Amino acid sequence: GQQVMQIPQYQHVQEGEDFTTYCNSSTTLSNIQWYKQRPGGHPVFLIQLVKSGEVKKQKRLTFQFGEAKKNSSLHITATQTTDVGTYFCAGPWSGTASKLTFGTGTRLQVTL
Amino acid sequence: GAVVSQHPSWVICKSGTSVKIECRSLDFQATTMFWYRQFPKQSLMLMATSNEGSKATYEQGVEKDKFLINHASLTLSTLTVTSAHPEDSSFYICSASLARNEQFFGPGTRLTVL
Repeated sequence: GQQVMQIPQYQHVQEGEDFTTYCNSSTTLSNIQWYKQRPGGHPVFLIQLVKSGEVKKQKRLTFQFGEAKKNSSLHITATQTTDVGTYFCAGPWSGTASKLTFGTGTRLQVTL
Repeated sequence: GAVVSQHPSWVICKSGTSVKIECRSLDFQATTMFWYRQFPKQSLMLMATSNEGSKATYEQGVEKDKFLINHASLTLSTLTVTSAHPEDSSFYICSASLARNEQFFGPGTRLTVL
């Protein structure tokens, strides 16, 4: 079945440092979505990428979709304590538009 | 817009009892909702797809007789954990998707079975 892996599992950075999480799918994806889950909270949609090689920015966050549409990355510049949480990528199941397979997640801890 | 609520937010029950969790789309109609469970520090695992007016579609390994799903209206889906046991303790989250495929999640229900 479709698998979506993320690395690293966990990263601890000091405030102001950059952070990147990588997402790899076993199958080609029609789109990739990113979600953020704060500790004790629920996933919140961040962004969707559709085109091969697409790059989107949201303030300090930069999202990229690979040329082969099998991998993606999220880069945070100059992390802040508000960035703490787990970041999940998610891709639609093959042949199904709405069901998502979530990645394994990367937990980010930011300290002063 | 696109707000999803869940009730209750947490529940503690005795082993053998049944627990019902409600998921509501507050400002939109959702023909399809999804139910996930999440163990501590793990990813979301899709349990089933809830379809308004028809039977839910369960993922492999999920017991449909144990996790009863009803989607009676375009704004409400319910998940009933029947004869709950301690191993059913988990964080249950529902979601609904709109046209762009992004999913909007409810706040989740933390179930503890004693």
